[in-house]
Amino acid sequence: NAGVMQNPRHLVRRRGQEARLRCSPMKGHSHVYWYRQLPEEGLKFMVYLQKENIIDESGMPKERFSAEFPKEGPSILRIQQVVRGDSAAYFCASSRTGKQDQPQHFGDGTRLSIL
Amino acid sequence: AQSVTQLGSHVSVSEGALVLLRCNYSSSVPPYLFWYVQYPNQGLQLLLKYTSAATLVKGINGFEAEFKKSETSFHLTKPSAHMSDAAEYFCASNTGNQFYFGTGTSLTVIP
Repeated sequence: NAGVMQNPRHLVRRRGQEARLRCSPMKGHSHVYWYRQLPEEGLKFMVYLQKENIIDESGMPKERFSAEFPKEGPSILRIQQVVRGDSAAYFCASSRTGKQDQPQHFGDGTRLSIL
Repeated sequence: AQSVTQLGSHVSVSEGALVLLRCNYSSSVPPYLFWYVQYPNQGLQLLLKYTSAATLVKGINGFEAEFKKSETSFHLTKPSAHMSDAAEYFCASNTGNQFYFGTGTSLTVIP
């Protein structure tokens, strides 16, 4: 499967724990985007990364959330000290060049549930 | 500010009937526009994209969309609905680093 791979598909955490969401982009893609989707809503942009660099994090909450895309390995979205309001589906997308006319290819998401 | 608006959060059509899902954009410059489909518990799948080459864009599964600058619209259509078209549809625009998604339209196909 050469598509965008996200894991885990489902993640359950208790309040105060940490959540780590992983995303491996499509082969040949070096641009990664993270989105959050709440029920009955569209996707909200969180952060855009290129290998080892954060390009745009204007959609990231100021506290508890961080993202990285290391030289080797998947991109990680990390949520510290999770709260009930963090429950959502988190989607990763990748593109080859990051140019505006390039579509983004999406993974199947990680559904985060906070108890 | 850039955004897209999808009119109608829920649309129902009979099998075989015309599908029309509406999307209007607001942007100070012509954006790149996309339609995606999302099936339950899955990610978004690209249906088609507009990148200024042609105003009528054909996509997968028989869908097409027409870019109308005068109406700032990019409505998605399909001549004949199929049961398998039941899903959530998202319009998106991009004039910079990030995609802006509409709130989605849930399509129900009635047999």
